Amino acid sequence: ETGVTQTPRHLVMGMTNKKSLKCEQHLGHNAMYWYKQSAKKPLELMFVYNFKEQTENNSVPSRFSPECPNSSHLFLHLHTLQPEDSALYLCASSQAYPLAGATTGELFFGEGSRLTVL
Amino acid sequence: QQQVKQSPQSLIVQKGGISIINCAYENTAFDYFPWYQQFPGKGPALLIAIRPDVSEKKEGRFTISFNKSAKQFSLHIMDSQPGDSATYFCAARPFSGGYNKLIFGAGTRLAVHP
Repeated sequence: ETGVTQTPRHLVMGMTNKKSLKCEQHLGHNAMYWYKQSAKKPLELMFVYNFKEQTENNSVPSRFSPECPNSSHLFLHLHTLQPEDSALYLCASSQAYPLAGATTGELFFGEGSRLTVL
Repeated sequence: QQQVKQSPQSLIVQKGGISIINCAYENTAFDYFPWYQQFPGKGPALLIAIRPDVSEKKEGRFTISFNKSAKQFSLHIMDSQPGDSATYFCAARPFSGGYNKLIFGAGTRLAVHP
């Protein structure tokens, strides 16, 4: 497989369930990200992992718990979610920068996990 | 709070026309301004990007115009095609060092009619 792969693509869960989203990248990148995409709103950065260390947590509620066991895998553990958490959750990866002579800051996104909380 | 404001929210253009999407930002400590294109059911993908020391960048039918003093940048799609129908996001990267923390606009849904 190539690129950034997210599973599952669709998830329906009740407010009391516990589930996890998985992301895997085959690009040799060392930074991984979770973004939340809701209709008519900007993509919201949730978490950033840089060389497996969490470097950003944008005031995300504790019902979202990220995990990054290595530079290729990223998880988002979900528990006691609310209906307003229904959204498309996008994983992305990139090279950490600056690299010598680097001129690009491209994020490579997966196709997302569509989450519906009932 | 750092923000990138994008307009319009939606845009309808006839085939062969010019599509123009505008973005404005409030923080001067941004060092990179990309545009992403997202098709239904897919994740966003980088389309074209510009650095603040350049006023214009062109790649095929896609052009970014950058106005540093006005803190504005725009995407122009020349000879728009139905295959360009997608959602377009502008973004800006604060110079935080280490990784690509992009601040995105709210997106513009473009429909190109044949």
